[in-house]
Amino acid sequence: DAGVIQSPRHEVTEMGQEVTLRCKPISGHDYLFWYRQTMMRGLELLIYFNNNVPIDDSGMPEDRFSAKMPNASFSTLKIQPSEPRDSAVYFCASSLLAGTGELFFGEGSRLTVL
Amino acid sequence: KNEVEQSPQNLTAQEGEFITINCSYSVGISALHWLQQHPGGGIVSLFMLSSGKKKHGRLIATINIQEKHSSLHITASHPRDSAVYICAVRRASGSRLTFGEGTQLTVNP
Repeated sequence: DAGVIQSPRHEVTEMGQEVTLRCKPISGHDYLFWYRQTMMRGLELLIYFNNNVPIDDSGMPEDRFSAKMPNASFSTLKIQPSEPRDSAVYFCASSLLAGTGELFFGEGSRLTVL
Repeated sequence: KNEVEQSPQNLTAQEGEFITINCSYSVGISALHWLQQHPGGGIVSLFMLSSGKKKHGRLIATINIQEKHSSLHITASHPRDSAVYICAVRRASGSRLTFGEGTQLTVNP
């Protein structure tokens, strides 16, 4: 398996623009997590899905953030409108079992909002 | 106080040295993860522990559930071990991971 695949790897955009980050989890994994990493706050969970259903979105910072998982092999994290403080690295991770399963991370999407 | 505390925050070692990174947590957990993040930014899961000890190559991870403490050891350290090592705990209830702030390890040749 190719592992967790994220795109784009890098995105630079202007404030106010819509940003869409994409993730393809490892086939067969039924948990998908979106994390954000910043220098100030480290790694933070934004939202996670189990079997394509959002389970915990309490980490989503604002209504400007939304995440979907239309099927088992694809998820998106959307920011609309984007702001400079959204600049961060966004990681997607998947696992087979949330409680006891090993976590596999994508390479991350580095977002810069000017 | 953070739920997950790592020490030290920064560690510089000479190649070949034995290295220990510590992680203490304050909540009930179902599992503890040790992650490695290289300068390029990718994150790799090194270990997932719920009890005892695991070994993979030169890396050893231990956990003491009663003391709420885990250690990551690197034997015969090498410059390629230079990375940020992150401890993360999964609470006993739910699936959220809470992360430590990471330990920046630099191994000099």
